[in-house]
Amino acid sequence: EAGVTQSPTHLIKTRGQQATLRCSPISGHTSVYWYQQALGLGLQFLLWYDEGEERNRGNFPPRFSGRQFPNYSSELNVNALELEDSALYLCASSLTLGANTGELFFGEGSRLTVL
Amino acid sequence: DQQVKQNSPSLSVQEGRISILNCDYTNSMFDYFLWYKKYPAEGPTFLISISSIKDKNEDGRFTVFLNKSAKHLSLHIVPSQPGDSAVYFCAARGFSGGYQKVTFGTGTKLQVIP
Repeated sequence: EAGVTQSPTHLIKTRGQQATLRCSPISGHTSVYWYQQALGLGLQFLLWYDEGEERNRGNFPPRFSGRQFPNYSSELNVNALELEDSALYLCASSLTLGANTGELFFGEGSRLTVL
Repeated sequence: DQQVKQNSPSLSVQEGRISILNCDYTNSMFDYFLWYKKYPAEGPTFLISISSIKDKNEDGRFTVFLNKSAKHLSLHIVPSQPGDSAVYFCAARGFSGGYQKVTFGTGTKLQVIP
């Protein structure tokens, strides 16, 4: 069974540009989470999508946005990139609320570098 | 507001000895606590979890202890092996506005010395 897949693996952008990151969850998982891991910091919660709806959002500015498609894959968009957006962006999936204990299955991440 | 804290950024242990990784939390409404392991250039992988109604959960070499009164949990690895060298994240599941949220600590880098 395929795990969570993310693309691209690496992405280099310049300040002010936009970045789009993609995630495909494990088959059967309807929830997708996005986390940011900046250098030296832990995993900061960004967004949670379930059944196509945004369910929760972390403490990030509105230029971080995303969506979930009918096949449960997800996209994270970061507009007006800033240098401090350079980080590893991790996507995770899980069964929907009520059918899990908080266990998340992570992809290998997309490394975004902003120059 | 860091609700889940791992105060030790790193830990070194000799192979065969016990590794103890600690985690503190502030939100008494968390209902599940989890530990994840992360190797460089890979995503975190689930290791072990514990419900807030229990005080211990064991899985092979890994045991998680929960002290609710102290809002503290720990992960014990016995015996430690070089392959255990990784960053360990403590996480807690809670609910915000009716929706679940998993909050992670900042991680502890474990080095097991052969």
